[in-house]
Amino acid sequence: AQKVTQAQTEISVVEKEDVTLDCVYETRDTTYYLFWYKQPPSGELVFLIRRNSFDEQNEISGRYSWNFQKSTSSFNFTITASQVVDSAVYFCALSVWTGTASKLTFGTGTRLQVTL
Amino acid sequence: DAGITQSPRYKITETGRQVTLMCHQTWSHSYMFWYRQDLGHGLRLIYYSAAADITDKGEVPDGYVVSRSKTENFPLTLESATRSQTSVYFCASSEYGTSQYEQYFGPGTRLTVT
Repeated sequence: AQKVTQAQTEISVVEKEDVTLDCVYETRDTTYYLFWYKQPPSGELVFLIRRNSFDEQNEISGRYSWNFQKSTSSFNFTITASQVVDSAVYFCALSVWTGTASKLTFGTGTRLQVTL
Repeated sequence: DAGITQSPRYKITETGRQVTLMCHQTWSHSYMFWYRQDLGHGLRLIYYSAAADITDKGEVPDGYVVSRSKTENFPLTLESATRSQTSVYFCASSEYGTSQYEQYFGPGTRLTVT
């Protein structure tokens, strides 16, 4: 069975601070994909990034960066110089192929509050 | 507009009533999914469909029924609503079933069962 743990339920930072959201996953599959989704106050889920299990290169996209470490089964997400618009709930998710479809297992989410 | 839509966006119903949540996508994606979002649980998969007339259970299917007669529609029915089914329901679609493809989510339906 797959499991995703986001131990940080809520994080509050002041604008311009850097913040890291932790994600730890469990799976016995050797091929899998990891995702981060953002859920702003409006409620929709927005895809941020996908990373496959064979690619441990870190990725940077503007103020966002992701650190994937298979050795610790972690896929952490860092926001540099946070802004109020970053306030949202962030979900980490693990996708594996079951033979009939890919199934996403979500973590419980981390609520990020960025204040002025 | 192209995309994935859900209706209604908000619904209040009484215990024991049947209610159907609609999901429509315009991308002709093969795969569609229903999730429920509850505090402390993240999103949990209820049912999914690999194609028209092909559906399968997810993690929490009890009390729900799905059908998929057309590729673009994937309705979710609560046959006899219970208070524990109060939740936000998200529909999602994916072009392919393999795990590398992200799922695109609808705006959600907030359901309250009184």
